[in-house]
Amino acid sequence: KNQVEQSPQSLIILEGKNCTLQCNYTVSPFSNLRWYKQDTGRGPVSLTIMTFSENTKSNGRYTATLDADTKQSSLHITASQLSDSASYICVVQNQAGTALIFGKGTTLSVSS
Amino acid sequence: GAGVSQSPSNKVTEKGKDVELRCDPISGHTALYWYRQSLGQGLEFLIYFQGNSAPDKSGLPSDRFSAERTGGSVSTLTIQRTQQEDSAVYLCASSLVVGDEQYFGPGTRLTVT
Repeated sequence: KNQVEQSPQSLIILEGKNCTLQCNYTVSPFSNLRWYKQDTGRGPVSLTIMTFSENTKSNGRYTATLDADTKQSSLHITASQLSDSASYICVVQNQAGTALIFGKGTTLSVSS
Repeated sequence: GAGVSQSPSNKVTEKGKDVELRCDPISGHTALYWYRQSLGQGLEFLIYFQGNSAPDKSGLPSDRFSAERTGGSVSTLTIQRTQQEDSAVYLCASSLVVGDEQYFGPGTRLTVT
């Protein structure tokens, strides 16, 4: 059973709109939670990394939140651009730092 | 500086053949990871190397899969007697040490016909 679940599986939005992607996890205890962006045909690129004690982390138009009590994280994208079209992957690292558990990702399509 | 590179970018092979996939990590990174990404699935951890320590092979799906890391740098993932279910994108990542930020290569797309 995957310990990191993401929703929605896919999402289509208009350019300029905002969106929020969800990640629920059961990995416990954990060291940190990461959000990656993966363009088609490319390797994942890190957007944010949050330790269990952090609640929010921003990277430009990307803002990630973390609620360690409910084991939920979200990635909010503001004023979306066509280049935001990609797969967004939530990843939880175990406390020992030896394993990354990946969600299946949310595929975002931004249309003009 | 140069990022993680992988070769080949694409590989088509016949069922039953052996394949070798190569990963060149970022210079100075002691940890190297291999992942598999099947269509519609999340990344699946295969194996990681940390310095000269014995690799963590816990994610290898079968004994047809093996990996080496020579001289603490370049790594080769070998799949013997390939099966159609081995078709996937194989991603390599490296980090300064285990637990540190991982930087991914572009992947090798393997298609077994």
